[in-house]
Amino acid sequence: QVQLQQWGAGLLKPSETLSLTCAVFGGSFSDYYWTWIRQPPGKGPEWIGEINHSGSTNYNPSLKSRVTISVDTSKNQFSLKLSSVTAADTAVYHCAAASEYGLDVWGQGTTVTVSS
Amino acid sequence: QSVLTQPPSASGTPGQRVTISCSGSTSNIGTNTVNWYQQLPGTAPKLLIYFNNQRPSGVPDRFSGSKSGTSASLAISGLQSEDEADYYCAAWDDSLNGVVFGGGTKLTVL
Repeated sequence: QVQLQQWGAGLLKPSETLSLTCAVFGGSFSDYYWTWIRQPPGKGPEWIGEINHSGSTNYNPSLKSRVTISVDTSKNQFSLKLSSVTAADTAVYHCAAASEYGLDVWGQGTTVTVSS
Repeated sequence: QSVLTQPPSASGTPGQRVTISCSGSTSNIGTNTVNWYQQLPGTAPKLLIYFNNQRPSGVPDRFSGSKSGTSASLAISGLQSEDEADYYCAAWDDSLNGVVFGGGTKLTVL
C-alpha cells in the first residue's frame, strides 16, 4: 500500500516561491499519476496538477503560468513549485496518488500561509 | 467558485438515509465517472466512491453512489455519528484536462 509523506515551508511572503516535496513509500512508482491539490480555508479542494513517472505533466490552466511539478524517480519523490505567491495561495496543500480509480492515497497536508 | 455544484449542508438523525447531490456539465460528469471523497475533521480526504458507484475495500455498504446525465448523488443509509464529515464529489473535466471538485457538503448528524 502506497504511503505519502510531504514537507516544505509553511510561511511565505508575497512574491516568494512555494516549494513542497512528497516522498512515496511502497507500491510501484510507475502505477500512478502523482498529484498536487490544495484546499483554501473553508473551501473545496482545487486540483493543481499531476506528473507521471516519465515526467509527463498536466496543470490546472488557472495556475499553469506559475506551477512546476517535477519528479525524481531515483528518490521516489515528486515536488511542487508555485511562483509569485499571494494571499490567495494560502491553503492546505496535499500530495496524492491518482490511479484509474481516483485519488487513492493522500499525504497528510501542509498548511501554507502567505503573509507579509 | 467550484466547477461542480453541491449543497453546502445536509443533516439527518441516526439511522436515517440522506442523499447529497452533485451537478456538473457535459465536459465532466456527463462524460466521465464520478468519485466521492469523505473528509473527517482535521484529516485529508479519503476516497469513498469511484466509477460512480463502486466502493473501495473497507468502505461500508451504507455508502452508495449513482449518476444520471450530468448529475450524481451520494446516499448514506443507516446514518451514524461517525459519518459527520465533509463530502466532495469530483470528476475529470475534458475541457480543463484535469480534475474538478464540488465545493463540498457538510453533513451533520443530529
